[in-house]
Amino acid sequence: DAEITQSPRHKITETGRQVTLACHQTWNHNNMFWYRQDLGHGLRLIHYSYGVQDTNKGEVSDGYSVSRSNTEDLPLTLESAASSQTSVYFCASSKDAGALGEQFFGPGTRLTVL
Amino acid sequence: AQTVTQSQPEMSVQEAETVTLSCTYDTSENNYYLFWYKQPPSRQMILVIRQEAYKQQNATENRFSVNFQKAAKSFSLKISDSQLGDTAMYFCAFMKHKGGSNYKLTFGKGTLLTVNP
Repeated sequence: DAEITQSPRHKITETGRQVTLACHQTWNHNNMFWYRQDLGHGLRLIHYSYGVQDTNKGEVSDGYSVSRSNTEDLPLTLESAASSQTSVYFCASSKDAGALGEQFFGPGTRLTVL
Repeated sequence: AQTVTQSQPEMSVQEAETVTLSCTYDTSENNYYLFWYKQPPSRQMILVIRQEAYKQQNATENRFSVNFQKAAKSFSLKISDSQLGDTAMYFCAFMKHKGGSNYKLTFGKGTLLTVNP
């Protein structure tokens, strides 16, 4: 069955380290998204991509980067991890058309920055 | 920019009863989609129901229905015959119409619903 996976599911790192969170989908969706979820803020968009080689900043993109070299993967990199980036991170994907815009979410990655 | 407001941080309901979660939004767009997502303790985000703004008829999915008031920019979720498995965080979300590659979701802050036995 097609799915969207994230790895690792849990990660503890230290301030200043570079961290990469993986997202992989097998639906062949063009659109992929990264969100962070924090108590009292809901889900906020970090970066998104509408296809290979396309990347765009969301509302909370500072300190994060993404690259899209193929349809299936959108890794999220924290260049120099900060304690403020301790959060739960969700990856999502959607089709260009059809499915009326539904986004399918991965299981999330809990990141702790010490 | 769009904003989505969920004014009830927490709610509780007795099993088998009905509960309504509120959501309001602000946009200058005329065509858009609205969604309710459920996030149980497992953390998985699950689509509950969607509404297309150009449709006047309120969407329903089994025990879940919405009251969509476009002029008032209101999009409430009604859960009938509440079940223990409905205990979750519920997020209201907005998306522009798919024209022009506008596929981003804007979420509210969520309402934590607890169903009591």
